[in-house]
Amino acid sequence: DTEVTQTPKHLVMGMTNKKSLKCEQHMGHRAMYWYKQKAKKPPELMFVYSYEKLSINESVPSRFSPECPNSSLLNLHLHALQPEDSALYLCASSQVQAHGHLYEQYFGPGTRLTVT
Amino acid sequence: GENVEQHPSTLSVQEGDSAVIKCTYSDSASNYFPWYKQELGKRPQLIIDIRSNVGEKKDQRIAVTLNKTAKHFSLHITETQPEDSAVYFCAASMVSGGYNKLIFGAGTRLAVHP
Repeated sequence: DTEVTQTPKHLVMGMTNKKSLKCEQHMGHRAMYWYKQKAKKPPELMFVYSYEKLSINESVPSRFSPECPNSSLLNLHLHALQPEDSALYLCASSQVQAHGHLYEQYFGPGTRLTVT
Repeated sequence: GENVEQHPSTLSVQEGDSAVIKCTYSDSASNYFPWYKQELGKRPQLIIDIRSNVGEKKDQRIAVTLNKTAKHFSLHITETQPEDSAVYFCAASMVSGGYNKLIFGAGTRLAVHP
């Protein structure tokens, strides 16, 4: 299996809702990432997990809460979002770098989130 | 921190022509440079990458060149086809805290006209 999958494909939520985005990969990758992509812009890194531990939080507001329950799954819990949080949320995975060698990141299809 | 500039922002070519997209990066420690193609509504897909110990890499109609001294790298697409139409993102990366942080350029919207 050489694919990263994400659910749901689309999500519409109100500002008081709580929802979760899910990401799964079975490539044996131990690094997983969340990105946010606004229209006509490049992906922006939000979080990085390495060996199921949070390695990087790019100063993301606490209304976004990541979770990595095991080496294949990555969740993003959403609560009290704002309309400006509407975007495409992309998950990616890669092997963990070793001896300075960086590995390819593979992206999932994304969840298109609309906050009303 | 690392900064990646990408030009042009839009590129329009006739089918069969070549297309060139250029990127510059700021941090000389960057050592991995992937290129992603993103079609409308789809995921970014890795199309080619190059590492800092290599000057050029080819894969069929696609090639990437890297000039470490000048800190710039370029994507070359030959014999363009309408299905090459997409947004292309360059990125630069280095080892940072044990993980691979990609810094993306702003993207180039390529249109190939039949």
